[in-house]
Amino acid sequence: AQTVTQSQPEMSVQEAETVTLSCTYDTSESDYYLFWYKQPPSRQMILVIRQEAYKQQNATENRFSVNFQKAAKSFSLKISDSQLGDAAMYFCAYRSPWGKTSYDKVIFGPGTSLSVIP
Amino acid sequence: DTEVTQTPKHLVMGMTNKKSLKCEQHMGHRAMYWYKQKAKKPPELMFVYSYEKLSINESVPSRFSPECPNSSLLNLHLHALQPEDSALYLCASAGDSHNEQFFGPGTRLTVL
Repeated sequence: AQTVTQSQPEMSVQEAETVTLSCTYDTSESDYYLFWYKQPPSRQMILVIRQEAYKQQNATENRFSVNFQKAAKSFSLKISDSQLGDAAMYFCAYRSPWGKTSYDKVIFGPGTSLSVIP
Repeated sequence: DTEVTQTPKHLVMGMTNKKSLKCEQHMGHRAMYWYKQKAKKPPELMFVYSYEKLSINESVPSRFSPECPNSSLLNLHLHALQPEDSALYLCASAGDSHNEQFFGPGTRLTVL
């Protein structure tokens, strides 16, 4: 069975600085999808960034980028120029490839609580 | 329309009450999900409906009863809940083009 680990329960970053959140996962599948979701306090969970395992290029969305190391099963999220609105719980998630019976069962990591210091 | 809506936003109920949570999406997604989430924890999967059929039930107690009346609507019927069932209940939907889930804002449930 697949597992997702986030080893940093809490992190903090100074406003305008850069922070990296770690995520590792375990799987025997060769193709899969990885996601970072953001959940601000008392607000909706939203997708930050998505990575398909078959793509070697790291995904980027504005100030958010990932470092996807398939062999190491590592999927870290880098937030550049941190803003107060980035303060949230961040969840790393894994999804099996389409066609697998486990496709609909998304696996979430335990989360990292990010604080942004003004 | 790229949103998932959930009603009510907040719900307080006694242990003998019967209530329902509602979730709606109009993105044509084939999969709809119910999650339970405690504070500072990841969502815990409860149920998945695929093409309006229950495809995953994560051994959820029978006091939670899901229903999918049509492809846009998902309900969660609640009966005889316990105080430990107090949590944020999240609905999500997913299509197959981008693979990510879209989450609703949740219903914050308190069981007295």
